[in-house]
Amino acid sequence: GQSLEQPSEVTAVEGAIVQINCTYQTSGFYGLSWYQQHDGGAPTFLSYNGLDGLEETGRFSSFLSRSDSYGYLLLQELQMKDSASYFCAVSAFSGSARQLTFGSGTQLTVLP
Amino acid sequence: DAMVIQNPRYQVTQFGKPVTLSCSQTLNHNVMYWYQQKSSQAPKLLFHYYDKDFNNEADTPDNFQSRRPNTSFCFLDIRSPGLGDAAMYLCATSRDGQGRETQYFGPGTRLLVL
Repeated sequence: GQSLEQPSEVTAVEGAIVQINCTYQTSGFYGLSWYQQHDGGAPTFLSYNGLDGLEETGRFSSFLSRSDSYGYLLLQELQMKDSASYFCAVSAFSGSARQLTFGSGTQLTVLP
Repeated sequence: DAMVIQNPRYQVTQFGKPVTLSCSQTLNHNVMYWYQQKSSQAPKLLFHYYDKDFNNEADTPDNFQSRRPNTSFCFLDIRSPGLGDAAMYLCATSRDGQGRETQYFGPGTRLLVL
């Protein structure tokens, strides 16, 4: 099976940088994804790491270390609209397609 | 715009009364997923279809079933909803369920069981 751990809450101020960590235990690991979900909304894809290293997409970056079973999401130049839940998710194959197992989510609150 | 559509957005049902939630997609993706998400929890995969190939998660209750009559539509049937089934139900798609591809989520249907 798969299990993931991430902090339940993080608070930061506008313009700051915040890092959300994720550790995982899994079999058949293919990659680590990050999704953002605003209250009442659908999860939306942010980033994916299949290999070790850093992936950068605008203000968001994600890092993976497969040997440490660890990844993080880095959010820079925080804006109020970044207040949301952030989920890490591991990819593994089940049946005929890749499936995601989500962490419990980190609620990010951005203060003015 | 291509998207994943879920109807209705809110569904109220009575304890034990069968209910069907629907999902459609204009992305022409091969894989469709159903997730259950309870308040302040992670989305939990119930099952997925790769084309017509149905894959049920081991811990998905028998009370939950799914149908995919064609590429565009997928339904979630809850045969006898209990109070514990109140949740947000999310439908998602992916092109081929391979590699690094993204899953695209619909807006969800919030189910309330009275």
